[in-house]
Amino acid sequence: DTEVTQTPKHLVMGMTNKKSLKCEQHMGHRAMYWYKQKAKKPPELMFVYSYEKLSINESVPSRFSPECPNSSLLNLHLHALQPEDSALYLCASSQEVRTGGNTIYFGEGSWLTVV
Amino acid sequence: GENVEQHPSTLSVQEGDSAVIKCTYSDSASNYFPWYKQELGKRPQLIIDIRSNVGEKKDQRIAVTLNKTAKHFSLHITETQPEDSAVYFCAARANYGQNFVFGPGTRLSVLP
Repeated sequence: DTEVTQTPKHLVMGMTNKKSLKCEQHMGHRAMYWYKQKAKKPPELMFVYSYEKLSINESVPSRFSPECPNSSLLNLHLHALQPEDSALYLCASSQEVRTGGNTIYFGEGSWLTVV
Repeated sequence: GENVEQHPSTLSVQEGDSAVIKCTYSDSASNYFPWYKQELGKRPQLIIDIRSNVGEKKDQRIAVTLNKTAKHFSLHITETQPEDSAVYFCAARANYGQNFVFGPGTRLSVLP
């Protein structure tokens, strides 16, 4: 069973709504990630947090706003999304970013539909 | 930056046969190569990984081989079963904070 927990599992939101995706891990990992996955495509990196600080932002539009309240929690705040933002949003964690070879473990994902 | 190619994009095999999926990478600094299995509607799950100081690794019916000189690595599944049907993604990662770069995926169908 996954030790990375995401909520909600499904979310439908309008283009003017504000919502948040939440992620929690209890493996003591110090790196947490947000990925976006469209159908029949590989996961696409959005953000990386290392020791609770944003270390990578892959040129993601500002309508996506990440937050890392502590080493176990990761949020993704959503505002004024577009229908093309509909996708599976995957949270992941690993021991740390800087040491090569650390495996990333994915949560179950949040299915987002923007209407 | 790193670029990972993966072949074939789709693969159908008869139950009990072997399946092989191949990936190539471009960055010689990459030193960690995981494989993920993603069933329909589920998250990607790590099935096996290999580091650059190892040429081959096995875990029951699954094996991965790495050729650093040629910059390619392969997933081998023997005695395939219907539950092996899924999309498989390879990935590559270098040291010092560089991200995982995923291959485009292979859809494996195991026919009963």
